[in-house]
Amino acid sequence: EPEVTQTPSHQVTQMGQEVILRCVPISNHLYFYWYRQILGQKVEFLVSFYNNEISEKSEIFDDQFSVERPDGSNFTLKIRSTKLEDSAMYFCASSPPGLADSYEQYFGPGTRLTVT
Amino acid sequence: RKEVEQDPGPFNVPEGATVAFNCTYSNSASQSFFWYRQDCRKEPKLLMSVYSSGNEDGRFTAQLNRASQYISLLIRDSKLSDSATYLCVVFTPMNRDDKIIFGKGTRLHILP
Repeated sequence: EPEVTQTPSHQVTQMGQEVILRCVPISNHLYFYWYRQILGQKVEFLVSFYNNEISEKSEIFDDQFSVERPDGSNFTLKIRSTKLEDSAMYFCASSPPGLADSYEQYFGPGTRLTVT
Repeated sequence: RKEVEQDPGPFNVPEGATVAFNCTYSNSASQSFFWYRQDCRKEPKLLMSVYSSGNEDGRFTAQLNRASQYISLLIRDSKLSDSATYLCVVFTPMNRDDKIIFGKGTRLHILP
């Protein structure tokens, strides 16, 4: 069964450093998402991406964040200058082609980001 | 009123019992609804979509009540493996800042 993969599984970085979190969505999916989940809290939407551009973003997704699909398979989230409060689990998700609002999302296993 | 609200639980239910959760949402323009389950320190996994007419998948039944703005999940003949946190997810296309909202989840413990 195809699945979303994410690397690394755990990233430790110092405050102020840049990090890039990587995701490989399911191959025939067209909609891609990043979420974060701070320990013990709810899953929060960051950004959605379709047709090589951001389609929606939340207020969490400020200028410190960017996303990219550099080739046909990878989907990355970059945090330019990490802050302590960026420590969280970051999930990538993808949705199959279909109605724009189908929103049946398949999540990767997550990258645990620890900012020290 | 919170945008998506769930009883956090935990619900402690004996194996074989039936359990039901509700999830309320505040925006009447919300259009798509889903239940996900999340095991401890794992990713959310899609359990089922919620259709207007209600839908069933094996032991799981989901219902939508648009008038009262809630969705429900019923689990029959519960198994130990059903122990997880159940997340309600609401999509509201007209609300740009809060288009995709997850509830905080309801924790379910199935007791042997």
